[in-house]
Amino acid sequence: AQSVTQLDSQVPVFEEAPVELRCNYSSSVSVYLFWYVQYPNQGLQLLLKYLSGSTLVKGINGFEAEFNKSQTSFHLRKPSVHISDTAEYFCAAGPGTYKYIFGTGTRLKVLA
Amino acid sequence: EAGVAQSPRYKIIEKRQSVAFWCNPISGHATLYWYQQILGQGPKLLIQFQNNGVVDDSQLPKDRFSAERLKGVDSTLKIQPAKLEDSAVYLCASSLELTSATGELFFGEGSRLTVL
Repeated sequence: AQSVTQLDSQVPVFEEAPVELRCNYSSSVSVYLFWYVQYPNQGLQLLLKYLSGSTLVKGINGFEAEFNKSQTSFHLRKPSVHISDTAEYFCAAGPGTYKYIFGTGTRLKVLA
Repeated sequence: EAGVAQSPRYKIIEKRQSVAFWCNPISGHATLYWYQQILGQGPKLLIQFQNNGVVDDSQLPKDRFSAERLKGVDSTLKIQPAKLEDSAVYLCASSLELTSATGELFFGEGSRLTVL
């Protein structure tokens, strides 16, 4: 069975500091991987996705993620965060069929 | 381009009452999804439509939840009767492709349900 694990439920970080949000997936088949962001009282918005090719994926708002097949990870990174990055971040995986599996989310809190 | 529209944004009801949520996807998107997002959890797929046909409703509690997409455009999700554990945000999403795992989901702002 496929699963997505986000180990950190909350990550506080100071403004302009780097951040990494961790995501691990479990699947016996090829996966497509995604990061979505949810700002307060809004729906989810795609940050970036990995389908194939280069393992380093760049997304919107300066975020990037690296697909690591040997560690079954897809961690999200940003070298310097802003107050406006405060939001909840969801990792998701698709097994090549129509269904997404979402992680439980990581709440990023950027401190001034 | 207009996004995914949902209404109402907020709804408070007492247990055993009924409620309905409406979703209008992005124009031209054939696939429509309803997700349930309970506080502290990730979105859980309730039902997926391709045009007006159901692709997956395996996690829809069919004894109390129902959904329809009669003309292949907008959709309604109904809960009757509601239980306390139905308190959640109900997210509607749409996508252009049938296989959502290779494409992007576009989400509405959600409908927050509180059951007292």
